[in-house]
Amino acid sequence: AQSVTQLGSHVSVSEGALVLLRCNYSSSVPPYLFWYVQYPNQGLQLLLKYTSAATLVKGINGFEAEFKKSETSFHLTKPSAHMSDAAEYFCAVSVGGTSYGKLTFGQGTILTVHP
Amino acid sequence: DAGITQSPRHKVTETGTPVTLRCHQTENHRYMYWYRQDPGHGLRLIHYSYGVKDTDKGEVSDGYSVSRSKTEDFLLTLESATSSQTSVYFCAAKGGGSSNEKLFFGSGTQLSVL
Repeated sequence: AQSVTQLGSHVSVSEGALVLLRCNYSSSVPPYLFWYVQYPNQGLQLLLKYTSAATLVKGINGFEAEFKKSETSFHLTKPSAHMSDAAEYFCAVSVGGTSYGKLTFGQGTILTVHP
Repeated sequence: DAGITQSPRHKVTETGTPVTLRCHQTENHRYMYWYRQDPGHGLRLIHYSYGVKDTDKGEVSDGYSVSRSKTEDFLLTLESATSSQTSVYFCAAKGGGSSNEKLFFGSGTQLSVL
């Protein structure tokens, strides 16, 4: 079975500062990894995904994540935070085979951006 | 929301009453999922469907049942609601069975069981 751990339930940064949201996964088989974002009172939207094509993945809104197999990590970064980045972020893992694409989510990290 | 509509958006009910949440999609997605979101737990899978009348349990299925009689509709039923089922419920869907495809989410149903 696979699992995801997000380190830090709350992260606070200043506008213009680096954003770093941490995600570690556990999987016995090569995983597919995702970052989703949730704005208040909305469903989740895909930011980016890793599907083994490239270890550095670029997503929407200037976010990127790097898959590091040796560290079992898939941390999300953005060089310069914007007020509109304030939201909750979820890391998720899926595996192939007959899993029907079911996702296992981390606990979520709430990002606050200060002026 | 990629054509995924959840109803109702908010519901307050009493312990012991049955509750049905509806998910309707217009994109002919084959795979549909019900998740619940709770603080500190992220989203947890309740049930999922891989086709009409084909459903299976997720990690937190106790106390819930689902039905899918048409491609576009996926119903989640709480047979006898309990306070522990107070949560935000999200429906999601995707077209293919590949594990690297993204899910499309509805806007959620806030359920309060008093």
